[in-house]
Amino acid sequence: GESVGLHLPTLSVQEGDNSIINCAYSNSASDYFIWYKQESGKGPQFIIDIRSNMDKRQGQRVTVLLNKTVKHLSLQIAATQPGDSAVYFCAETLHSNTGKLIFGQGTTLQVKP
Amino acid sequence: DAGVTQSPTHLIKTRGQQVTLRCSPKSGHDTVSWYQQALGQGPQFIFQYYEEEERQRGNFPDRFSGHQFPNYSSELNVNALLLGDSALYLCASSPQGSYEQYFGPGTRLTVT
Repeated sequence: GESVGLHLPTLSVQEGDNSIINCAYSNSASDYFIWYKQESGKGPQFIIDIRSNMDKRQGQRVTVLLNKTVKHLSLQIAATQPGDSAVYFCAETLHSNTGKLIFGQGTTLQVKP
Repeated sequence: DAGVTQSPTHLIKTRGQQVTLRCSPKSGHDTVSWYQQALGQGPQFIFQYYEEEERQRGNFPDRFSGHQFPNYSSELNVNALLLGDSALYLCASSPQGSYEQYFGPGTRLTVT
């Protein structure tokens, strides 16, 4: 399938530290990317998005970086808090195909108090 | 303003049975997409509905079908259930043409 992997990589950080979550996307033609946060028992929650004509976008405590050359996306979370503990997914889609999001493997973020 | 709602929350079915899951989109949204999320994996796109028609479809067999009603709510039907259909089924809504999809809490389907 397009989303593979039974074992999610885990990132463990200390409360207050910065977190960096990485994602490799699959389609060089993708031109819109989204980061989602999924807490246990809930659906994915939109965090931040970025279009392919940008390489950086900042939100509140979060920054997304896009490197199209190597098809790499990262999510930086500043001053990580216990409430940030969740699974984080990147998703990609094509401009001409706004319905189908292709999700990456996901990373579990654990924040230690 | 209610977000995306789904029902039921949990469901247990037996192999070979049929199931119907329901979704109400966020207010003002007319497009509904369905995703299947197996344990430990990212969601996989099943199909999308707009104007009561299936507009796009992912790599899922014909056992998976859907419907959209005039009020934009949607149903996902799965026939001849297999053990491998056990998953969290997510509904996402968006205004037509928008990239940003809002997800519901999902329906946890267990097939025994």
